[in-house]
Amino acid sequence: AQKVTQAQTEISVVEKEDVTLDCVYETRDTTYYLFWYKQPPSGELVFLIRRNSFDEQNEISGRYSWNFQKSTSSFNFTITASQVVDSAVYFCALSTSSTGNQFYFGTGTSLTVIP
Amino acid sequence: DVKVTQSSRYLVKRTGEKVFLECVQDMDHENMFWYRQDPGLGLRLIYFSYDVKMKEKGDIPEGYSVSREKKERFSLILESASTNQTSMYLCASSLGKQHNQPQHFGDGTRLSIL
Repeated sequence: AQKVTQAQTEISVVEKEDVTLDCVYETRDTTYYLFWYKQPPSGELVFLIRRNSFDEQNEISGRYSWNFQKSTSSFNFTITASQVVDSAVYFCALSTSSTGNQFYFGTGTSLTVIP
Repeated sequence: DVKVTQSSRYLVKRTGEKVFLECVQDMDHENMFWYRQDPGLGLRLIYFSYDVKMKEKGDIPEGYSVSREKKERFSLILESASTNQTSMYLCASSLGKQHNQPQHFGDGTRLSIL
């Protein structure tokens, strides 16, 4: 069975602080992809990043970085120097070779950045 | 850019009504999905489709049906709306048959059943 756990339901930080959003996944497939999405108050989920199971390199994009560790089945997302515009709900998702195009989403982490 | 358009942002219907939620994508994607989003439960898959006239049940299909008569359009139907179907509904699409493609989402429809 496939499962994604985002244990942090809500996080509040003060602007300019760094924050890490945790994502832990479960799958028996050896070929899988992990995704992060951002859902601002407007409602649309915005795709942020995709990572495949064979690529454990960390990725950095501006203030965003992602740390993928197969040993702990985690794909954590860090925002450096947070800004008010980062306030949103963030979802982690998993797709695997045995489940085709179906995604398994975590329950999301609501991030509030306080000015 | 991929554009997924849902016909309504907000919708209010009455118990027992038949409700149609429409979704259109403009990128010739093969796959389309309907989710509902509820606080604390994340996104739950209702139905999805890999091709025209094709549909597959997701995790919570009870009380819903879908229609895909054209590649770009995927409709969600609440046969007889009930109050427990009050929720945010999200449509998504993705390209091809590989599981590595990101899904692209519409703005969502917030549906209230009175």
